[in-house]
Amino acid sequence: GEDVEQSLFLSVREGDSSVINCTYTDSSSTYLYWYKQEPGAGLQLLTYIFSNMDMKQDQRLTVLLNKKDKHLSLRIADTQTGDSAIYFCAESPYSGAGSYQLTFGKGTKLSVIP
Amino acid sequence: DSGVTQTPKHLITATGQRVTLRCSPRSGDLSVYWYQQSLDQGLQFLIQYYNGEERAKGNILERFSAQQFPDLHSELNLSSLELGDSALYFCASSVGQDQPQHFGDGTRLSIL
Repeated sequence: GEDVEQSLFLSVREGDSSVINCTYTDSSSTYLYWYKQEPGAGLQLLTYIFSNMDMKQDQRLTVLLNKKDKHLSLRIADTQTGDSAIYFCAESPYSGAGSYQLTFGKGTKLSVIP
Repeated sequence: DSGVTQTPKHLITATGQRVTLRCSPRSGDLSVYWYQQSLDQGLQFLIQYYNGEERAKGNILERFSAQQFPDLHSELNLSSLELGDSALYFCASSVGQDQPQHFGDGTRLSIL
């Protein structure tokens, strides 16, 4: 079955760049996603990339996609304390009957040190 | 604010009981998904509806059921509750079936 893997923890200093990595398994995903979950809160769609793109930039966020290696990364520039959260990588493989449910990694907890 | 509304935010009940979780999708979204987040299993897909019809089932227990109504809101029914059902239940919606999903804030279910 599908398995999305990402490291569990990342610690960076405020102002540095953070890079969160993810490997996925299913090449049928049209989109690949990054979600952010702050303590006690829901899942916020942070950004996503279309599978035929290599890179997407959105303000401080840069998503890189290597389809050959099935590797996705999220770079956060000038990391701030407000970026402290759990970041989930997700793929959306086709599962039949037109359905594309999300398969999530276990999440990377980003801690930003002031 | 994602535009997806889930009620209630918190639910505390006892084993053996039945509860109903409610979700209102974003305006215009036809697809509704339910996910469960627990410490041991992580985020798992439960079930999907599209314009009132069930489209896919994931790791959903037989004690759980869902439906999507003509006004597109959805309800997740959990019955014969067990301690292990304690989790955060999320609803997500999307315009179409292969479009980005937007999540609600979740319903935290605690079984005592």
